[in-house]
Amino acid sequence: QKEVEQDPGPLSVPEGAIVSLNCTYSNSAFQYFMWYRQYSRKGPELLMYTYSSGNKEDGRFTAQVDKSSKYISLFIRDSQPSDSATYLCALKKSGGGADGLTFGKGTHLIIQP
Amino acid sequence: DSGVTQTPKHLITATGQRVTLRCSPRSGDLSVYWYQQSLDQGLQFLIQYYNGEERAKGNILERFSAQQFPDLHSELNLSSLELGDSALYFCASSTTDPGSGNSPLHFGNGTRLTVT
Repeated sequence: QKEVEQDPGPLSVPEGAIVSLNCTYSNSAFQYFMWYRQYSRKGPELLMYTYSSGNKEDGRFTAQVDKSSKYISLFIRDSQPSDSATYLCALKKSGGGADGLTFGKGTHLIIQP
Repeated sequence: DSGVTQTPKHLITATGQRVTLRCSPRSGDLSVYWYQQSLDQGLQFLIQYYNGEERAKGNILERFSAQQFPDLHSELNLSSLELGDSALYFCASSTTDPGSGNSPLHFGNGTRLTVT
């Protein structure tokens, strides 16, 4: 079983829809959770960062973490064509580990105008 | 713009050759991470440096090595290249000590390596 699972998509939705992107993980040592957006031929760009269960909102984006279920989500409201990209969840273990982030493989999102 | 600079953007070379990828972290960032991204494996952590010292190794092949210099820029050296090494190589940097959880990474735009 992979440490982080993410549906690769593609996920295609009409403009203005609410988008839900998800990751599941298996190791309870993961305590820090991030979402990155990656446009084609670009590096991943940090969107959201959280370290606790619950919701965190930033503009049209909401990150949700449920540590008991080992499930994290990113919601995008009022989706725009410019949101079309690959979205990667990234998780980091606690305990002072210096081994970077563990990434999901990314979900390819397409917002249809 | 993340502030992380990677050169070159593209690199085409032959099997058996050696290449060097360069990364300049964001101003003030002491930690540098290297990742490899391929279509089938996604983003894979290779190696991490903090203030010039190696701090963690991931799935890095013995043919690959890296270092971080006193001015904090980093280089990733790939030798005896194989077709399977073709991938995007990303550098990321962060401000804090890698032992701290509060260290989101900021990525450069990568070097696309093609081995023919």
